[in-house]
Amino acid sequence: EVVLTQSPEFQSVTPKEKVTITCRASQNIGNNLHWYQQKPDQSPKLLIKFASQSFSGVPSRFSGSGSGTDFTLTIDSLEVEDAATYYCHQSSGLRQTFGGGTKVEIK
Amino acid sequence: EVQLLESGGGLVQPGGSLRLSCTVSGFSFTSYVMGWVRQAPEKGLEWVSGMTAFGNTAYYADSVKGRFTISRDNSRNTMYLQMSSLRADDTAIYYCARLYSGSYVDYWGQGTLVAVSS
Repeated sequence: EVVLTQSPEFQSVTPKEKVTITCRASQNIGNNLHWYQQKPDQSPKLLIKFASQSFSGVPSRFSGSGSGTDFTLTIDSLEVEDAATYYCHQSSGLRQTFGGGTKVEIK
Repeated sequence: EVQLLESGGGLVQPGGSLRLSCTVSGFSFTSYVMGWVRQAPEKGLEWVSGMTAFGNTAYYADSVKGRFTISRDNSRNTMYLQMSSLRADDTAIYYCARLYSGSYVDYWGQGTLVAVSS
């Protein structure tokens, strides 16, 4: 099973600041890494697919990069509505896994 | 409009069983891998199980293997999760998920709560 380790677990950020979240895989997963945003009492929503491809309708301030074992989600110029928990997810093979999540709070 | 609607959650005693259903509409059910993802209270997302479009392959997280069984009835546009030998740590919101080409989840249900407690 591929283990995904996200960091940091928590981040308190001022609006308009840049946010960087990392996700490290325990083995090479190519670009089979996706990012989701989840707000309280809501289902998760897809932000980035295949490491760097933006999903339809997602604001351009969200971007992803990486391949192999190291991946990054970046939020340029954080907005108040971006307060949420962010998860990475790997789909390499049939047994998929999620990272532990990164909670982003607005200062 | 794509919709995924879970049902079947509730309160069950430890050791008991429960069957969840996910009925979909707005897309061709037989074109998609489907799966279940759960979230324990105040915890992160956990991949539980997935099944290929025609039900020929199923896969499970280690935490549920041997206790949970996924299935689908393509004639009813419905996926199921039969859960048995339930434990307190199975308490969670269970989400139905549509996987695009078996990879990312592009649509989620609203979730159904399963509470395992005596």
